[in-house]
Amino acid sequence: QSALTQPASVSGSPGQSITISCPGISSDVGSYNLISWYQQHPGKAPKLLIFEGSKRPSGVSYRFSGSKSGNTASLTISGLQAEDEADYYCCSYAGSSTYVFGTGTKVTVL
Amino acid sequence: EVQLVESGGGLAQPGGSLRLSCAASGFTFSIYDLHWVRHTAGKGLEWVSSIGSADDTYYEDSVKGRFTISRENAENSLYLQMNSLRVGDTAVYYCARGGYFDGSNSYSHWYFDLWGRGTLVTVSA
Repeated sequence: QSALTQPASVSGSPGQSITISCPGISSDVGSYNLISWYQQHPGKAPKLLIFEGSKRPSGVSYRFSGSKSGNTASLTISGLQAEDEADYYCCSYAGSSTYVFGTGTKVTVL
Repeated sequence: EVQLVESGGGLAQPGGSLRLSCAASGFTFSIYDLHWVRHTAGKGLEWVSSIGSADDTYYEDSVKGRFTISRENAENSLYLQMNSLRVGDTAVYYCARGGYFDGSNSYSHWYFDLWGRGTLVTVSA
């Protein structure tokens, strides 16, 4: 199972909105609405931001939102803040109890 | 406190072995699927392996035949035996909690809702 290809980097100014795409294939992103997104700061464990494509766990800021269209999932960060500077990964259930992560996107706040 | 704590990382030579452990607390360990996920500077996060509540196991292709995942519910512990290690296995290894089957045999969720802090494995001559 190949990794899902995310853009290597995305940047924005404070207050702006940015979107990270996660294009998959029909057998992972396209087959399941079981996309999750994780935020990882350097040296820290990943943190769940979005599950089932668009749902936020308790405690996650409303500024993070997820969506899916066809075989592509997306994460939008609105009202960009300095603390949002981190790596972001999508993850899709790939069947038979296996998962595939995206290649990761480094978000820079200008 | 609900947490996962990994241990057992370190330096190994190519072809060598290491055994990682993950101690769980604060939740009903036996019902959950548990996973190992690794992070490398070059590839980012990579799902490695999982074990279900019925001890069913699954592996990413590059570790099949080399890594073995296991669990000991009586000790609330998850393990990863890593043999025939390669330089490319160098990573921070995280244990992560997945979903579980509820009373109506429905699966709770397909994401990782609890992570440990990770343990560093370095494979180098």
